[in-house]
Amino acid sequence: AQTVTQSQPEMSVQEAETVTLSCTYDTSESNYYLFWYKQPPSRQMILVIRQEAYKQQNATENRFSVNFQKAAKSFSLKISDSQLGDTAMYFCARHTGANSKLTFGKGITLSVRP
Amino acid sequence: KAGVTQTPRYLIKTRGQQVTLSCSPISGHRSVSWYQQTPGQGLQFLFEYFSETQRNKGNFPGRFSGRQFSNSRSEMNVSTLELGDSALYLCASSHGSVGATDTQYFGPGTRLTVL
Repeated sequence: AQTVTQSQPEMSVQEAETVTLSCTYDTSESNYYLFWYKQPPSRQMILVIRQEAYKQQNATENRFSVNFQKAAKSFSLKISDSQLGDTAMYFCARHTGANSKLTFGKGITLSVRP
Repeated sequence: KAGVTQTPRYLIKTRGQQVTLSCSPISGHRSVSWYQQTPGQGLQFLFEYFSETQRNKGNFPGRFSGRQFSNSRSEMNVSTLELGDSALYLCASSHGSVGATDTQYFGPGTRLTVL
């Protein structure tokens, strides 16, 4: 099965510090895309960042950046200068070019402490 | 641009009943995907509709069905409800391009409780 694995169920970080969330995936496709979504207590799933597999450069969106290691099939999310509003569940997801199905990891609960 | 909307936001039904959930995509998006989220199984893909046709289907029983209208709005129907169908149902829309970067944007979800 082509899976997405988030092995850490929960993490905690002090406000203003940096935290890294891990994700590994499995795929036999050459053309695929990776995403991090955030789901706060409101349950609204919000796109954080995306990475095209063919791009070597790691994606960055303000305080959020990824470390994409294609050979290792690893896709971690780094959150810098953590804010209280970053408290949420974070999901890593994979999408292949062949169809529109997103395969999600189990998610990680991130708590930002004041 | 308005985001993805889902109605109703909350539903309470009893076993054996049927339910219809609605999703309106972002304007210009032609693909609508549905996901079921439960604490035990996480997020699971139900199906995807594109241009009024089901293009992809997950591994769910036939009690789960859907359709898409010419304005890209989609409905999902669950018949003969079971307790295990209690979940958050998320709808996501995208342009629907195959083989290209196609980001899915999610609605707020419909929380279904089956008693």
